Amino acid sequence: DTAVSQTPKYLVTQMGNDKSIKCEQNLGHDTMYWYKQDSKKFLKIMFSYNNKELIINETVPNRFSPKSPDKAHLNLHINSLELGDSAVYFCASSQKGVTEAFFGQGTRLTVV
Amino acid sequence: KNEVEQSPQNLTAQEGEFITINCSYSVGISALHWLQQHPGGGIVSLFMLSSGKKKHGRLIATINIQEKHSSLHITASHPRDSAVYICAVRSSADKLIFGTGTRLQVFP
Repeated sequence: DTAVSQTPKYLVTQMGNDKSIKCEQNLGHDTMYWYKQDSKKFLKIMFSYNNKELIINETVPNRFSPKSPDKAHLNLHINSLELGDSAVYFCASSQKGVTEAFFGQGTRLTVV
Repeated sequence: KNEVEQSPQNLTAQEGEFITINCSYSVGISALHWLQQHPGGGIVSLFMLSSGKKKHGRLIATINIQEKHSSLHITASHPRDSAVYICAVRSSADKLIFGTGTRLQVFP
């Protein structure tokens, strides 16, 4: 069983489109995250949700909107995609303050 | 300057060598993580430390809270250890702050 699963794994889309990346965890964790890994492989947090509540929003453009319908899901919707949004996006989950983070396999987004 | 610094950035080794990767941080933390990212891109958590030392197989991680420093050691390195190793600290705001990673290549 996959602990943290993201879909899709690859996403190629044109500038200006709107797209979503889905994330689900079956670990019973209370906290979920979205991270962005840029072309230099540097990871940076974008959002954190604890029990469906937004905890961290790291100066991410308004075009990015996370949605957490329940504790097991944290989806990322991106409006009006730009070339600079091309990156690998990782979802992760943990039990706040207790466990290590478990990562999804990543979604490679390419905006053309 | 990054809040989390790793060294070296790149490391090559012969199979069987003992490897050390260092991580220094400048913020208050509740825990420190060592992660491994394989060429395929997936990220795996190796350790979460808040004090002392942990060991899993050939991997050893240590942390010195006073000196704000952690090391990851690999004993008897093997080509399958080739990956990017990332140090990340968990801040008081419960977010992970990542180092830039150390790319390790182990040759047979």
